[in-house]
Amino acid sequence: NAGVTQTPKFRVLKTGQSMTLLCAQDMNHEYMYWYRQDPGMGLRLIHYSVGEGTTAKGEVPDGYNVSRLKKQNFLLGLESAAPSQTSVYFCASSLYRGRTDTQYFGPGTRLTVL
Amino acid sequence: QKEVEQDPGPLSVPEGAIVSLNCTYSNSAFQYFMWYRQYSRKGPELLMYTYSSGNKEDGRFTAQVDKSSKYISLFIRDSQPSDSATYLCAFQSGGGADGLTFGKGTHLIIQP
Repeated sequence: NAGVTQTPKFRVLKTGQSMTLLCAQDMNHEYMYWYRQDPGMGLRLIHYSVGEGTTAKGEVPDGYNVSRLKKQNFLLGLESAAPSQTSVYFCASSLYRGRTDTQYFGPGTRLTVL
Repeated sequence: QKEVEQDPGPLSVPEGAIVSLNCTYSNSAFQYFMWYRQYSRKGPELLMYTYSSGNKEDGRFTAQVDKSSKYISLFIRDSQPSDSATYLCAFQSGGGADGLTFGKGTHLIIQP
């Protein structure tokens, strides 16, 4: 049981380049989330999904797109990377929202945009 | 006023001491209260989860929630060097967006 995995672990982009971050979970969770973590800012929600084929905006969605074509995968795309998107990106998943909702986090992707 | 306030530290204490970590919040819609631990260059992992005012104990950890004061705490007894990490408080409302709202985290250092 691998839990939540993220690929790649590290990436350096030039301004204007595009890339996709992949999150995969093997816990059959319905809910998946993308957060970014910046020094002095804490973790902030970018987008989330409450099930296969659904996506919704979080606190900081601008510049990002997401897709959830399969229940176990949640993709985060940067169409035209900007230096402001330099951050550590975390994916999380949870079984359902409620009293026993627990979000499990992946190990993170460190992205640098030059 | 920010939605969540958490002192970033660092907080340095000797091994064996009792550690107290705190967060205040302003959003009355928050119904679920969590503490996550994050080691350097790792993802956050859930430590404690509560949904009501009062205390919840799990081993050396005690989470305390005071909804009337909008204040939550995490106490660590008999602190160990392995407890050195960043501790994040997190909140979730009962409706609306499903993501968590995090504090900025407190960097804790336990000195051997």
